[in-house]
Amino acid sequence: DADVTQTPRNRITKTGKRIMLECSQTKGHDRMYWYRQDPGLGLRLIYYSFDVKDINKGEISDGYSVSRQAQAKFSLSLESAIPNQTALYFCATSDVKGKVNEQFFGPGTRLTVL
Amino acid sequence: GENVEQHPSTLSVQEGDSAVIKCTYSDSASNYFPWYKQELGKRPQLIIDIRSNVGEKKDQRIAVTLNKTAKHFSLHITETQPEDSAVYFCAASIKGGSYIPTFGRGTSLIVHP
Repeated sequence: DADVTQTPRNRITKTGKRIMLECSQTKGHDRMYWYRQDPGLGLRLIYYSFDVKDINKGEISDGYSVSRQAQAKFSLSLESAIPNQTALYFCATSDVKGKVNEQFFGPGTRLTVL
Repeated sequence: GENVEQHPSTLSVQEGDSAVIKCTYSDSASNYFPWYKQELGKRPQLIIDIRSNVGEKKDQRIAVTLNKTAKHFSLHITETQPEDSAVYFCAASIKGGSYIPTFGRGTSLIVHP
């Protein structure tokens, strides 16, 4: 089945380290997204990309960067991790049809910054 | 930009009872309203959605209603079962925003057997 995958699934790191989270999809979707989930704060958009040459900031992009290496791959980097970036990170894809923009989420990466 | 408020943050019901989760949005141009369910340790998944030209939509035990004038929409779950226990997120999106959803903060629904 076509799917969205994320690596790693869990990561513990220290303050100041550079971290990369990777996302791959076999759904053939053009759009890819990175979200952050914190308890009580819902899903907040970090970055999104509508195609390989398109990168856009979301509502909470400070401290993060992304790279769209191919249609199927979208990675999120934390250049210098800090403890308040401890969260559950989701990659998502979509293919807008009409007004519907259903998000297909990956399994998530739980990141802990000590 | 769009702002979505979701209430309550936690909802506890007995099996068989109904559950209602409410959301309000700020941008009158929003025209698509999905609901996602996230079971414990799982990824969010779309369970139902509604477009702005429809007032109500049903799918078995779940239904969504939309009041465009008041700018609010609600998720209704009837005859709740333990497997309905999850976090539910509402969202709103507009064409001008490339249909990117703005999510509410989520409601943790607990169904007691």
